[in-house]
Amino acid sequence: DGGITQSPKYLFRKEGQNVTLSCEQNLNHDAMYWYRQDPGQGLRLIYYSQIVNDFQKGDIAEGYSVSREKKESFPLTVTSAQKNPTAFYLCASAGLYNEQFFGPGTRLTVL
Amino acid sequence: SQQGEEDPQALSIQEGENATMNCSYKTSINNLQWYRQNSGRGLVHLILIRSNEREKHSGRLRVTLDTSKKSSSLLITASRAADTASYFCATATNSGYSTLTFGKGTMLLVSP
Repeated sequence: DGGITQSPKYLFRKEGQNVTLSCEQNLNHDAMYWYRQDPGQGLRLIYYSQIVNDFQKGDIAEGYSVSREKKESFPLTVTSAQKNPTAFYLCASAGLYNEQFFGPGTRLTVL
Repeated sequence: SQQGEEDPQALSIQEGENATMNCSYKTSINNLQWYRQNSGRGLVHLILIRSNEREKHSGRLRVTLDTSKKSSSLLITASRAADTASYFCATATNSGYSTLTFGKGTMLLVSP
């Protein structure tokens, strides 16, 4: 089965904690993306990576960090510096013509 | 920053009717894409139209693009209850691995 997976589906974080969201793809895509979605809103780009060991900030990178050590994996860390992290987080990878394939999402709630 | 803006924000129709959603954007684009999102799920790519194309079809979907007006429309014909979802347009300013800028979406409700 080709696709993109995210884990966990639900995540609860206490104030001051860092948490890491997992994103894995077996589509052999070079480009991967992280988005944040708030209720009733569109997607906002957090970070993206077009090649292993390289990534760029998106529109709302503050309080987040990423790594891209393997082509298949693009984990996102939500740090304690992110003041309002409660949101739905979506990971995507891009095909040849930049159509994006999305994972099922992780819903993060701060307690 | 939001590039695409969908209109209307919400649309309620009966099964069998057609649904039309519009998207306006601000800057020149390489391509425009439409995605569907069922509640609480990831987005699913529906169709991509390039800046040199005016119309594209895929099954019950018809997309038009008017670059002079910086607008696109998505038509879903003979709607089904299963079409109930949010629909987003997204624009890419470059070819290849370009970032996408998403609008806020149109929420479509199709009643049986």
